[in-house]
Amino acid sequence: ETGVTQSPTHLIKTRGQQVTLRCSSQSGHNTVSWYQQALGQGPQFIFQYYREEENGRGNFPPRFSGLQFPNYSSELNVNALELDDSALYLCASIPPGTSGYNEQFFGPGTRLTVL
Amino acid sequence: KQEVTQIPAALSVPEGENLVLNCSFTDSAIYNLQWFRQDPGKGLTSLLLIQSSQREQTSGRLNASLDKSSGRSTLYIAASQPGDSATYLCAVAAGGFKTIFGAGTRLFVKA
Repeated sequence: ETGVTQSPTHLIKTRGQQVTLRCSSQSGHNTVSWYQQALGQGPQFIFQYYREEENGRGNFPPRFSGLQFPNYSSELNVNALELDDSALYLCASIPPGTSGYNEQFFGPGTRLTVL
Repeated sequence: KQEVTQIPAALSVPEGENLVLNCSFTDSAIYNLQWFRQDPGKGLTSLLLIQSSQREQTSGRLNASLDKSSGRSTLYIAASQPGDSATYLCAVAAGGFKTIFGAGTRLFVKA
C-alpha cells in the first residue's frame, strides 16, 4: 500500500510569485487536509477537502486555495507569496469513516522558501 | 477558541528512563486526540489515536491517556532509547473539521 506522497520536496520562490504544491492520498482515503508548519512550531490547519469540496478552513487568507481531484489527490495553491509563507507544508490523508475525524496519515512535506 | 499546550518544550533523559510528555487543551469538546512523532525536517508519524469516548491507547512501549474533563493527555514512553529522540506533537480534532496542534516537546535520549 502506497503512503501519502508530496511534490516537490523543496521549492524556492520570490515574493509575489505563485506556487502549487501537490499531494497524493493514501489508497482508499477520500479526505485530505493541508497544514503549514513554521520552524519550531506545530502545524497550523489550512483547510480540508472531502469529495472535491472544501469542508473546513483555518485562519488563512483567500490567497491560500486548494483543489481535490476525483482520484482524491490534492493541490495547495498560494498566490502573491510573502516572506512569512516560508514553511514546511504538510498534507494528511484520512480514510473514509463515520466522520471527518478519523486518524490522519501525513506525507513527508514540501519545504517552501520565499526570498 | 481551542488552544493546545505541551509541556515541557524540551526534555533530555538518559537511555532506559521512563518518561511522560504532557498535553493540555482548553476546550473539552473534542472528537479525538492524536499523538505524532516528527523527526527533523520530516513529516509526521502517527503514534496513537484516542477517540473522545476512550480513556487510553497502548502501542508497544507507548501509552497515551485522555482526560477530557480536565483537558489533559499524557504520553508515557517506557524504557526510552536513543532512537526515540524526536519531537512529539499532540493534536486535537475540534469542530469544523479543524485539527489543532501543540508546539511539541523535543525529546533527546542520551546513550
